[in-house]
Amino acid sequence: AQTVTQSQPEMSVQEAETVTLSCTYDTSESDYYLFWYKQPPSRQMILVIRQEAYKQQNATENRFSVNFQKAAKSFSLKISDSQLGDAAMYFCAYRRKNTGANSKLTFGKGITLSVRP
Amino acid sequence: DTGVSQNPRHKITKRGQNVTFRCDPISEHNRLYWYRQTLGQGPEFLTYFQNEAQLEKSRLLSDRFSAERPKGSFSTLEIQRTEQGDSAMYLCASSLRDSSYEQYFGPGTRLTVT
Repeated sequence: AQTVTQSQPEMSVQEAETVTLSCTYDTSESDYYLFWYKQPPSRQMILVIRQEAYKQQNATENRFSVNFQKAAKSFSLKISDSQLGDAAMYFCAYRRKNTGANSKLTFGKGITLSVRP
Repeated sequence: DTGVSQNPRHKITKRGQNVTFRCDPISEHNRLYWYRQTLGQGPEFLTYFQNEAQLEKSRLLSDRFSAERPKGSFSTLEIQRTEQGDSAMYLCASSLRDSSYEQYFGPGTRLTVT
């Protein structure tokens, strides 16, 4: 079974600074997807960034980028130029790539990010 | 397209009562997922549908839980004889069939069992 581990329950960053959120996972599959989702307080979860395991290049979306280390099974999220609106819970998630199978997401416990003005 | 909607947003019920939640997915999405999220945890998979067919259920889904998706449109999740341990946020997500497509989440229904 796949597992996703986020060992840091909380982090804090100064506005305009950079912060890195850590995630490790375990799987026996060779091809899969990894995601970071953002869940603002009392609002719905939205996708921040996605990485396909077979791609060597780390995904980037504006101020958000990942450091994907496949051999180490590590998938960290870097937020540059942090903004007050980045304050939220962030979840790391895994999904199998087999299109014929259940594509359910397996989530970590999440990390609460606060941004100091 | 107004996204995934869920009703009610909040539900308070007494132990032993039955409750039903509704999820309306994005209209062209044929896959629909239910997840449960307890305080301090990430969402956990409960069940999923492809069109009207319920294709997988988690071991978390006890006999007191039942889900339906008639005609492959909206879905309902019913919990019978609620217990305090059922208190959680129930999230619905939908996606297109191919697993490469993103799952879009609804705002969730927060259930409190007293």
